[in-house]
Amino acid sequence: DAGVIQSPRHEVTEMGQEVTLRCKPISGHNSLFWYRQTMMRGLELLIYFNNNVPIDDSGMPEDRFSAKMPNASFSTLKIQPSEPRDSAVYFCASSPGTGARETQYFGPGTRLLVL
Amino acid sequence: AQSVTQLDSQVPVFEEAPVELRCNYSSSVSVYLFWYVQYPNQGLQLLLKYLSGSTLVESINGFEAEFNKSQTSFHLRKPSVHISDTAEYFCAVSVGGYQKVTFGTGTKLQVIP
Repeated sequence: DAGVIQSPRHEVTEMGQEVTLRCKPISGHNSLFWYRQTMMRGLELLIYFNNNVPIDDSGMPEDRFSAKMPNASFSTLKIQPSEPRDSAVYFCASSPGTGARETQYFGPGTRLLVL
Repeated sequence: AQSVTQLDSQVPVFEEAPVELRCNYSSSVSVYLFWYVQYPNQGLQLLLKYLSGSTLVESINGFEAEFNKSQTSFHLRKPSVHISDTAEYFCAVSVGGYQKVTFGTGTKLQVIP
């Protein structure tokens, strides 16, 4: 079975440009998570969805970040405008249920560099 | 709110030696505990987890962790490491009824030949 799919795997852009990261969760999974990983701050939860509905977006850094999940098989994380401090690896993860006991399955990540 | 502390950012160990990666958590309610592993340029993957029952949990590749409620710890151990165990290991905690998982800062295990 295919795991969590993320695209692009690498993105280099210039400050001020819009960046869109994409995620396809594992089929049948009900929850989806967006994380950001940096050397300085470690792994941070940005937002998570249950059944396509945003549940907790308290980790979204600021209004420049937005996330959508229009259906059960697709989610996007958008940064507009991008800044150099947004450079990081962004992970998408999904889990089969909506409880705290669930294992999260991570995608390979998108490595973003904002110049 | 729950939190996780991994005091060791890096742990070098010789091949075939034992290793312990430390994890302490804080929470005012019952918790679920996880260890995830991240190999270079990959996403995290579950190594093992404690949900309830026996306090000792094992993974398929020889790691084990013991839930110690009195010491609020969930240390990860392996009696004999292999080169292929070189990776970063993350301890994580979640609490019942709330799906948000809090990850520790990670411990990089470097196995030396």
